[in-house]
Amino acid sequence: GNSVTQMEGPVTLSEEAFLTINCTYTATGYPSLFWYVQYPGEGLQLLLKATKADDKGSNKGFEATYRKETTSFHLEKGSVQVSDSAVYFCALSLPIQGAQKLVFGQGTRLTINP
Amino acid sequence: DTGVSQDPRHKITKRGQNVTFRCDPISEHNRLYWYRQTLGQGPEFLTYFQNEAQLEKSRLLSDRFSAERPKGSFSTLEIQRTEQGDSAMYLCASNPLTGAPEQYFGPGTRLTVT
Repeated sequence: GNSVTQMEGPVTLSEEAFLTINCTYTATGYPSLFWYVQYPGEGLQLLLKATKADDKGSNKGFEATYRKETTSFHLEKGSVQVSDSAVYFCALSLPIQGAQKLVFGQGTRLTINP
Repeated sequence: DTGVSQDPRHKITKRGQNVTFRCDPISEHNRLYWYRQTLGQGPEFLTYFQNEAQLEKSRLLSDRFSAERPKGSFSTLEIQRTEQGDSAMYLCASNPLTGAPEQYFGPGTRLTVT
């Protein structure tokens, strides 16, 4: 079936460290891929997206590349900040009648220590 | 644009009671989605509206759940005869009929069934 598997958390890093959160997917067809972020007490916010193979999404220093050959969409950031502490969700889109629904991974909790 | 809003933000109810949640999407967004997020998991799709028409329902949406969007603007999600297993965060999202597939989420309603 269609699913998303994320790197298990929690992940704890020091400020200015390099971040990678792994995400792989299983899907029929060619879904769009997303990273959403959830800060404490808030709803999900779109962080970045890629709609076709080899596209790179980027935002706020985060990047992810849509790799069809490895069915992956790993999230990276070169130098994390304390304010990046949040839960990160990888997701793919699946067609439904008249739209697309999102299928999410289980989330990865990231804590950045000063 | 104001974002997606949900009301209430928190609801505590006793098992067997009925509850109703409201979602106001971003104005002029034709598409509206409901998701459920349990602790430590990613959101799971429940149902989808295009304007006032409910076009897709997940198997997760048991007979005790009903959703409406009577005038194609706000939506309500009602749970009848609540059970402890209904305790979760209920998220609403919206996006326009045309354009990119990403969805914009509200802050959610956290339901606790005691």
